Amino acid sequence: DAGITQSPRYKITETGRQVTLMCHQTWSHSYMFWYRQDLGHGLRLIYYSAAADITDKGEVPDGYVVSRSKTENFPLTLESATRSQTSVYFCASSDIGELFFGEGSRLTVL
Amino acid sequence: AQSVTQPDIHITVSEGASLELRCNYSYGATPYLFWYVQSPGQGLQLLLKYFSGDTLVQGIKGFEAEFKRSQSSFNLRKPSVHWSDAAEYFCVPGCSGYALNFGKGTSLLVTP
Repeated sequence: DAGITQSPRYKITETGRQVTLMCHQTWSHSYMFWYRQDLGHGLRLIYYSAAADITDKGEVPDGYVVSRSKTENFPLTLESATRSQTSVYFCASSDIGELFFGEGSRLTVL
Repeated sequence: AQSVTQPDIHITVSEGASLELRCNYSYGATPYLFWYVQSPGQGLQLLLKYFSGDTLVQGIKGFEAEFKRSQSSFNLRKPSVHWSDAAEYFCVPGCSGYALNFGKGTSLLVTP
């Protein structure tokens, strides 16, 4: 089925561990985005990508790394997880204007 | 920098009543503006978007929004609210037609 999928949907990890959240879209949209959603802060943009091998920082990029070697994939890596990175992470893709969101990945850092 | 403000963090309306959610923007040029909705435990869905042209924009689920340059506003309206409209609503500025930075949103509670 066409769409945007995130994995894992739920993840519990410990402080200092590396975690990668995967995002895959089947539409071949040019743009992809990573957001985090926290109570009281709404959604904040972490990184976005305009095309394969082109990425740019958003509002809260510190502690995160992204890559985009293929158009359809946009993984988000927390190189050394911290408790403040406990959040719900949403991946999105866009062709012209409209963002299409994944179901979210709930990450808990202990 | 493109930015929007949603002055109301929480809004409570009775089912069947009309709704208006406020969104103020600050730009130099004509902005791209979007309204998204997030139902509890769900992802986000586009309600409507404004790029240019007609200032009154129709969206899904009976929502509309009006772009008013003189007031720097893009308020979301619905004439009669349903209980299923209870959700989080986000007014989002765009860049080159892409929604980028979400704000804190407005939480809508619908009472019987």
